[in-house]
Amino acid sequence: LAKTTQPISMDSYEGQEVNITCSHNNIATNDYITWYQQFPSQGPRFIIQGYKTKVTNEVASLFIPADRKSSTLSLPRVSLSDTAVYYCLVGDVREANNAGNMLTFGGGTRLMVKP
Amino acid sequence: DADVTQTPRNRITKTGKRIMLECSQTKGHDRMYWYRQDPGLGLRLIYYSFDVKDINKGEISDGYSVSRQAQAKFSLSLESAIPNQTALYFCATSSTGQGSYNEQFFGPGTRLTVL
Repeated sequence: LAKTTQPISMDSYEGQEVNITCSHNNIATNDYITWYQQFPSQGPRFIIQGYKTKVTNEVASLFIPADRKSSTLSLPRVSLSDTAVYYCLVGDVREANNAGNMLTFGGGTRLMVKP
Repeated sequence: DADVTQTPRNRITKTGKRIMLECSQTKGHDRMYWYRQDPGLGLRLIYYSFDVKDINKGEISDGYSVSRQAQAKFSLSLESAIPNQTALYFCATSSTGQGSYNEQFFGPGTRLTVL
């Protein structure tokens, strides 16, 4: 089962670009990489998902190298409202035998954005 | 109206009481999940259901049971509540359709306190 490793916490300042890296050395061929954001006392919210190379949406970019053993969530020009916990998940919930892996959130990365 | 609703939002109960937390969704998703989150920690999966006839134990199912009454409803029960079940409980849904099929949609959470 793929296991993810993320930094426990990160600090940044408003207007900076923030990159959060997740290691997943045992990622399987059919696994996707998904990132969630969680604010205090709220449920996590989907940010972005990718399989390889680069994915970009209106909120973030996800960079995945060719070996797929890691991924980097990039948040451009963060604001105070981006202060949250960010979770990296790896797996493919479509596969019953891998669903338990996809549904492991881990501790996440606490991002603190300062003025 | 919210797509994923949870009732109650807050509950205080005593040790030994039976408690039911309810989750309803209007997203038409086939998959539903129950998580708990303890202060400062990530989410841990309690149970998940891929359709009405499919119920699966998650990482921490002991002391909990679930019922999938319909595609839109998934209830979590604590048969005899104990203090270490004090936590924030989240319900989530996902779809096997096209697109970001790994995206889970979370409810607002139920804060449960067991005295």
